[in-house]
Amino acid sequence: DAGVIQSPRHEVTEMGQEVTLRCKPISGHNSLFWYRQTMMRGLELLIYFNNNVPIDDSGMPEDRFSAKMPNASFSTLKIQPSEPRDSAVYFCASSFRASGGQETQYFGPGTRLLVL
Amino acid sequence: AQTVTQSQPEMSVQEAETVTLSCTYDTSENNYYLFWYKQPPSRQMILVIRQEAYKQQNATENRFSVNFQKAAKSFSLKISDSQLGDTAMYFCAYRPQGGSEKLVFGKGTKLTVNP
Repeated sequence: DAGVIQSPRHEVTEMGQEVTLRCKPISGHNSLFWYRQTMMRGLELLIYFNNNVPIDDSGMPEDRFSAKMPNASFSTLKIQPSEPRDSAVYFCASSFRASGGQETQYFGPGTRLLVL
Repeated sequence: AQTVTQSQPEMSVQEAETVTLSCTYDTSENNYYLFWYKQPPSRQMILVIRQEAYKQQNATENRFSVNFQKAAKSFSLKISDSQLGDTAMYFCAYRPQGGSEKLVFGKGTKLTVNP
């Protein structure tokens, strides 16, 4: 089975440009998560969706960040305008939430973003 | 707020030996889940093992096992017969059983297996 798919794997852009990261969760999973990993802050949750609805976006840094999940098989994380401090590895993860909450999150390979 | 602490930033072990990585957490919840993820140089996050807090029996997955001490809020990972491929960052993570599905991660332990 295909795992979580993220694109692009690497992105280099200039400050002020718009960046769009994409994620395809594992088929059948109903929860999707966006995490960011930096040396300073480690791994932190930005936002997560359940059944395509945003549940917790308290980790979204500021209005420059937005995330959407138009359907069960696709999500985007957009940064506009990008800044050098946004440079990080962005992970998408998915899980199947059932009663009892025994789900495990499976991670994609990540997108390494560098903003110059 | 829940926090996860990994007190060993770096560790090393000789191939074929056993190593234990420490993790402590803080929570007021009674039911929750704990995880160890491995992140090799490729940066892929790979689930190593998980533990349900309501289970007294420690989880085991092949060479990987945990020592879960609920009262002490401790969740250590033991790797037996270490292999060169075990070289990676290891992250401990916590999630409550109900409510938010958010994973809270520790800062990680960098493990190096030496030949």
